[in-house]
Amino acid sequence: GNSVTQMEGPVTLSEEAFLTINCTYTATGYPSLFWYVQYPGEGLQLLLKATKADDKGSNKGFEATYRKETTSFHLEKGSVQVSDSAVYFCALSPYSGAGSYQLTFGKGTKLSVIP
Amino acid sequence: GAGVSQSPSNKVTEKGKDVELRCDPISGHTALYWYRQSLGQGLEFLIYFQGNSAPDKSGLPSDRFSAERTGGSVSTLTIQRTQQEDSAVYLCASSLTLSEKLFFGSGTQLSVL
Repeated sequence: GNSVTQMEGPVTLSEEAFLTINCTYTATGYPSLFWYVQYPGEGLQLLLKATKADDKGSNKGFEATYRKETTSFHLEKGSVQVSDSAVYFCALSPYSGAGSYQLTFGKGTKLSVIP
Repeated sequence: GAGVSQSPSNKVTEKGKDVELRCDPISGHTALYWYRQSLGQGLEFLIYFQGNSAPDKSGLPSDRFSAERTGGSVSTLTIQRTQQEDSAVYLCASSLTLSEKLFFGSGTQLSVL
C-alpha cells in the first residue's frame, strides 16, 4: 500500500535558520505529493503540492521538489520565522494531477522557531 | 459559511456510549472527507463523499463507525459503543470537486473515558 515517512520532531530552530523536513514515500504509479501545515488552533491548510516528477512546489518561501528517483519530497525554507511554528504534514494521493482525495499522510513534524 | 465547520469542538464520553460528530462543508463543495488524527499516528483517511454517496467505506475502522451526508451538504460521523481507542481528533474536509484542493475544519477532539 501507499505510505509516507517523514522525519520525527519536534524540530526547534532559531529565527532565520535553514529548515529541511525530510519526507519519503512508497506508492505505485504516479502519485501527487503535498505538504500541509497546521498552525496552532487552526485546521490543516495546503502549503504546496507537486503533481509529477521533477515538479517543484513553492509557497510562502517554502519549496519541495518531487524526486521520483529517490521517492522523496523534502520541505525546505531558507530562513524561518517565528510565524512558521506549526506542524507540517507530508502527504500523497495515488492520483496524478490535482486529485487529492484518499490522501495518505505522514505522522507530522512539529516545528518551533524561537526568536 | 466561510470555512469548514465542525461540531462539537470537544466531546468527552463514556466507553460504550454513542457519539455523533457533525461537519458543515463550504457551501457548494461537492466532495467531503473524514480523517482521524490519533496521537503519534498521523492522519488516517476514513471515508469520502461525492454528493451524498460514499463510494468506498473500507477506510472506516470497524462496523461501529458510520457516516452519512444529506442534501449534498452536512455530514454526520457516528461512532457506536465507543471504545478508548476511538479517542482522537476527527477532521472533516471539503473540496469543490474530487480533484480540487481540500479545505479542513478545525476538528472534533473526542475523548473516551
